[in-house]
Parts: sequence; structure tokens; C-alpha cells
Amino acid sequence: EPEVTQTPSHQVTQMGQEVILRCVPISNHLYFYWYRQILGQKVEFLVSFYNNEISEKSEIFDDQFSVERPDGSNFTLKIRSTKLEDSAMYFCASRGTGAGSYNSPLHFGNGTRLTVT
Amino acid sequence: DAKTTQPNSMESNEEEPVHLPCNHSTISGTDYIHWYRQLPSQGPEYVIHGLTSNVNNRMASLAIAEDRKSSTLILHRATLRDAAVYYCILRRNNQGGKLIFGQGTELSVKP
Repeated sequence: EPEVTQTPSHQVTQMGQEVILRCVPISNHLYFYWYRQILGQKVEFLVSFYNNEISEKSEIFDDQFSVERPDGSNFTLKIRSTKLEDSAMYFCASRGTGAGSYNSPLHFGNGTRLTVT
Repeated sequence: DAKTTQPNSMESNEEEPVHLPCNHSTISGTDYIHWYRQLPSQGPEYVIHGLTSNVNNRMASLAIAEDRKSSTLILHRATLRDAAVYYCILRRNNQGGKLIFGQGTELSVKP
């Protein structure tokens, strides 16, 4: 079964550094999402992306964050200047499109654990 | 987004059925009821969804109350691998399709 893959599985960075988290969504999917989960807390929506632009974003997704689909397969989340409170698991998800797809399920990757020191 | 209420935790015995409840009294007519689960150290995983009628798939069954203000996820025979956090989520039928997660129900399964 096709799956969403995320790399790296664990990233350690120093405060103030830029990080890029990478995701390869399922190949025929056109809607992409980033979520984060701080340790012990709930999964939080960050951003959704469709047709090469952001379709919706949460209050968490401020100017420090950006997303990009640089080629036909990758979907990235960049944090420009990391803060201690950015330490979390970051999950990428994708879903299909086409007739009847509005309620198609989201497929999640297994996440990148970001640790900011 | 309409809110859901779930118990924080539930316990089950292996090989017995599990009924996970969810209240969503402010559900609107266009909200679908989705269930996801998150196994330890993994991303969320789709389980099932429905609008008005009960639904069955290979993972679980979804029973939806006639007034749609509550629903129940049924695992017919719990296994140790079913120990996870289960999320009941209302999702508007719009193109964006984002999910808003609550705290969910942490299900533990005893051998």
C-alpha cells in the first residue's frame, strides 16, 4: 500500500537555525498538510496546500514557517529561525482528489521529531 | 468547527468488543464523522467515517445515532495492537479537508 514518507526521522538543531523537514506524499495525491504534536499534547493543524499555494493555515503557522513543493514529489516545511518551543513531532499528510474525494481520508507519515536545543 | 467530546481513557480485554463513544451535539448537516487512531510513536491513521448511516469496514464499525448527536466506534475483537489514542473528528464537506484533532480516547488493551 502506498505511504507518506518523512525524512529525517529525528532532527536536532540549535536555536536560531533554519530547518527543512521533508515529506514525500502519495504519488497521485494533490492535497498536502503539515501538523505538529508537542510531547504529551494533541495533534495540531499547521497548514494545508493545494495547487501550489497555501489553502489554509492556523495561527501557529506564522512568518517563521513556510511550505514548498519544489518538484513533483517532495513537500517541505521550513522553519526559518527555530525556537525551543518548536520542539515537537511534525507530521505530513496527503489526500487524493477527484470526484467524491472531499471526504477522502488523510494519509499521515510517521513524523519527524524536531529537537531544538 | 463543531466540537466532539470523548472519554479520556478506556480499558478493554483482548479479544473482547470495544465501544468507543463520542458526543457531538453541535454537529451540522454537512459534517461528516471521522475516526482516526494514533498508535504509539506513529502518525494518525484513518479508521472509518460516515454521515448518517452505520458503516462497516475491515478495521471497525461506526454506529451513528439517529439525531447524529453521538456516534460509537466499535472494534469487534480488540487486539493488543489496537492500543492507541482514538480521535472522533467532525469534518466539513469542503475542499480543504483539514482535520482538527481533540484529545481523543486512550484505549488500553489487557491480555
